[in-house]
Amino acid sequence: AQSVSQHNHHVILSEAASLELGCNYSYGGTVNLFWYVQYPGQHLQLLLKYFSGDPLVKGIKGFEAEFIKSKFSFNLRKPSVQWSDTAEYFCAVNYGGSQGNLIFGKGTKLSVKP
Amino acid sequence: DGGITQSPKYLFRKEGQNVTLSCEQNLNHDAMYWYRQDPGQGLRLIYYSQIVNDFQKGDIAEGYSVSREKKESFPLTVTSAQKNPTAFYLCASSPPGRGGYYNEQFFGPGTRLTVL
Repeated sequence: AQSVSQHNHHVILSEAASLELGCNYSYGGTVNLFWYVQYPGQHLQLLLKYFSGDPLVKGIKGFEAEFIKSKFSFNLRKPSVQWSDTAEYFCAVNYGGSQGNLIFGKGTKLSVKP
Repeated sequence: DGGITQSPKYLFRKEGQNVTLSCEQNLNHDAMYWYRQDPGQGLRLIYYSQIVNDFQKGDIAEGYSVSREKKESFPLTVTSAQKNPTAFYLCASSPPGRGGYYNEQFFGPGTRLTVL
């Protein structure tokens, strides 16, 4: 079955630390990849997405993600986190192209200490 | 402003009662979705609809029902058959994908349902 794994349930960092959140997906052919963020009390919103082309994707608020096809991974990174990055982060994968749906990982809660 | 609205924000119901959650969008999107979010479980797809008057079951459709009579509206009914209805429910919509690409989904603010 198609699945998405986020390895870290809860990550705690100090401000200015670097961040990398893991996301792996099961093989399923062509995929479209997404990272969403849910700030406390706010809507789920898109951070970045990958469809094709350059495997290093830049998103909002200084986030980036790298698609490594051979590893079925799409890890999220940020060189220096801020307290305002405290949120829950979800990786999502579409396996079916325009007719498919999104499968979400279970999420990683990030807590940034000031 | 364009967006997705869900009402109410908080909803309390007694066990055994059906309850309907509202989702409206003015983004002119064809597709709409309902997800359930539980702590540590991520988002799980309940139902989705690609066009008006058509919808499909997602991964956890048992105990839920939907309708799609209008493009703008996709209400979700949580029936008394749903064994564990207390959860946070999210509605989303997306424009059609093109060229094999899947368009992003846009999410509403959610409804937190508590069954007493």
